[in-house]
Amino acid sequence: KNQVEQSPQSLIILEGKNCTLQCNYTVSPFSNLRWYKQDTGRGPVSLTIMTFSENTKSNGRYTATLDADTKQSSLHITASQLSDSASYICVVSPFSGGYNKLIFGAGTRLAVHP
Amino acid sequence: NAGVTQTPKFRILKIGQSMTLQCTQDMNHNYMYWYRQDPGMGLKLIYYSVGAGITDKGEVPNGYNVSRSTTEDFPLRLELAAPSQTSVYFCASLLSGGTYEQYFGPGTRLTVT
Repeated sequence: KNQVEQSPQSLIILEGKNCTLQCNYTVSPFSNLRWYKQDTGRGPVSLTIMTFSENTKSNGRYTATLDADTKQSSLHITASQLSDSASYICVVSPFSGGYNKLIFGAGTRLAVHP
Repeated sequence: NAGVTQTPKFRILKIGQSMTLQCTQDMNHNYMYWYRQDPGMGLKLIYYSVGAGITDKGEVPNGYNVSRSTTEDFPLRLELAAPSQTSVYFCASLLSGGTYEQYFGPGTRLTVT
């Protein structure tokens, strides 16, 4: 069964510190992997999108990495800010699913404290 | 561009009532989606549409109906609301052949009591 699992479920860090969120998936083959940020009470917003042939993609202080061999992705946040407090969702698109078969992880809830 | 808009933001329904959640996008995207998000769970696809006049079921379609008469609008209809439909509903859109980027609306929080 195609699954996307994220860890940790929740994380608390101090402002200015770095952190790394993990995503393990069993979807194979897959077309692309995305990371979304979801602020409380809002819809998810795309941070990065990587195709199966890419290893890393950055968006400001956010850097996503992908290891297709081990079926793992990580999202690294550098010099965290209070505004980084949100849920971060990993999403995998199966190769044969077109644009409709996206598989969502449950998310990691990050809290950045001053 | 307003992006993806949803109404209402909040709604409380009694068991057995019906309602329509509205979704509109102004980006001329061909794909549109309805998801529900339950606490601690990933988003689940209810219905999707690849263009005006074409809709198909997702993972959890029971108790819902959709229509797509225009490119812009994709309403979700709940018939005979049940407590199991208490959730946050998100509409999203995407332009096929582009960057795969999906744009989400702000969500509708629905409570059925």
